[in-house]
Amino acid sequence: EPEVTQTPSHQVTQMGQEVILRCVPISNHLYFYWYRQILGQKVEFLVSFYNNEISEKSEIFDDQFSVERPDGSNFTLKIRSTKLEDSAMYFCASSGTLGTTGNTIYFGEGSWLTVV
Amino acid sequence: DAKTTQPTSMDCAEGRAANLPCNHSTISGNEYVYWYRQIHSQGPQYIIHGLKNNETNEMASLIITEDRKSSTLILPHATLRDTAVYYCIDRNSGNTPLVFGKGTRLSVIA
Repeated sequence: EPEVTQTPSHQVTQMGQEVILRCVPISNHLYFYWYRQILGQKVEFLVSFYNNEISEKSEIFDDQFSVERPDGSNFTLKIRSTKLEDSAMYFCASSGTLGTTGNTIYFGEGSWLTVV
Repeated sequence: DAKTTQPTSMDCAEGRAANLPCNHSTISGNEYVYWYRQIHSQGPQYIIHGLKNNETNEMASLIITEDRKSSTLILPHATLRDTAVYYCIDRNSGNTPLVFGKGTRLSVIA
């Protein structure tokens, strides 16, 4: 079964450093998402991406965050200058296949970011 | 914020059916009912979705009331591996993001 893959599974970084989290969405999907989950809290939407541009973003997704699809397969989340409160599990997801009405969102297993 | 309401937690004996309720008091006509679960901080896992009719797949059954104001997810024979947080979410037919609430923590007990 096709799946969303994320790397790294766990990253520890120092406060103020830049971090890039990588995702390979399901190959024929057109819509891409990033979510985060702070330990013990609910899963929160960050951003959605379609046709090489951001289609929707939440209040959490401020100027320190950016997303990119650098090639035909990867989807990345960059955090420019990490803060302690950025420590969380980050989930990538994808959905939407051309020519069908199917739009179920499928999630990766997450990248756990620890900022120290 | 999430639009649905769910009980905070439920227990179920292993091998018995787990029935997880959800209220969709503000669901609109073009919104589907989606169910996901999250097993111990893993990525949310899609279970099932429906619009009006009851649905069944290899994982679960979904019962939606005629007025669509409530739904029930049924795991017919719960196992210990079904212990997870279960989320019901209203979502329209486009590729809009999912908005997660706090869900129901289901504990399957041996």
